[in-house]
Amino acid sequence: GAGVSQSPRYKVAKRGQDVALRCDPISGHVSLFWYQQALGQGPEFLTYFQNEAQLDKSGLPSDRFFAERPEGSVSTLKIQRTQQEDSAVYLCASSLRDGARDTQYFGPGTRLTVL
Amino acid sequence: SQQGEEDPQALSIQEGENATMNCSYKTSINNLQWYRQNSGRGLVHLILIRSNEREKHSGRLRVTLDTSKKSSSLLITASRAADTASYFCATGLYGGSQGNLIFGKGTKLSVKP
Repeated sequence: GAGVSQSPRYKVAKRGQDVALRCDPISGHVSLFWYQQALGQGPEFLTYFQNEAQLDKSGLPSDRFFAERPEGSVSTLKIQRTQQEDSAVYLCASSLRDGARDTQYFGPGTRLTVL
Repeated sequence: SQQGEEDPQALSIQEGENATMNCSYKTSINNLQWYRQNSGRGLVHLILIRSNEREKHSGRLRVTLDTSKKSSSLLITASRAADTASYFCATGLYGGSQGNLIFGKGTKLSVKP
């Protein structure tokens, strides 16, 4: 089937705006991850779901960041009152079972630019 | 924080040559994965090596893992211009409740035709 898809691919927001980024994981994948990648850096973990349960949100940089996966499939990462430092590529990944043991498959990312 | 460190940070070679990238990490792992990222694109999974494995091959890729030295290497043989990309190692931690991978900063490989 299809791989991980993300939308939008590019998002430009004015500082202070709220944004919502969507991730469609591979069908049947239990685990879903969000990562943030700054320019020239490796991805950094934000949050992790197993089905609809958010098991780890320790990487979320502030309480302006919120993620949900209400039916255990599609996930949305919401950033409220965006700041310039939020500019980055936001990557979503899914894995069949356990992300620490299984391959994680990544989507193309959403490039967020905050002006 | 990032636990993996790739070495070198940048590597420039001629087409047909071999490219070797190294990765060191700090804590015990379940597995180590290598990913490729072309400029402005998503991450493509290359290979996963488990902590009880020492070497793995996939096409022109050869990965080794030395858990005693907490290091891994990725060898790309007979490189092609299309191999130009950034390469990241990522570790899945042992025994953690987290499922996430921890990435290094990457090696930027440039293969000149």
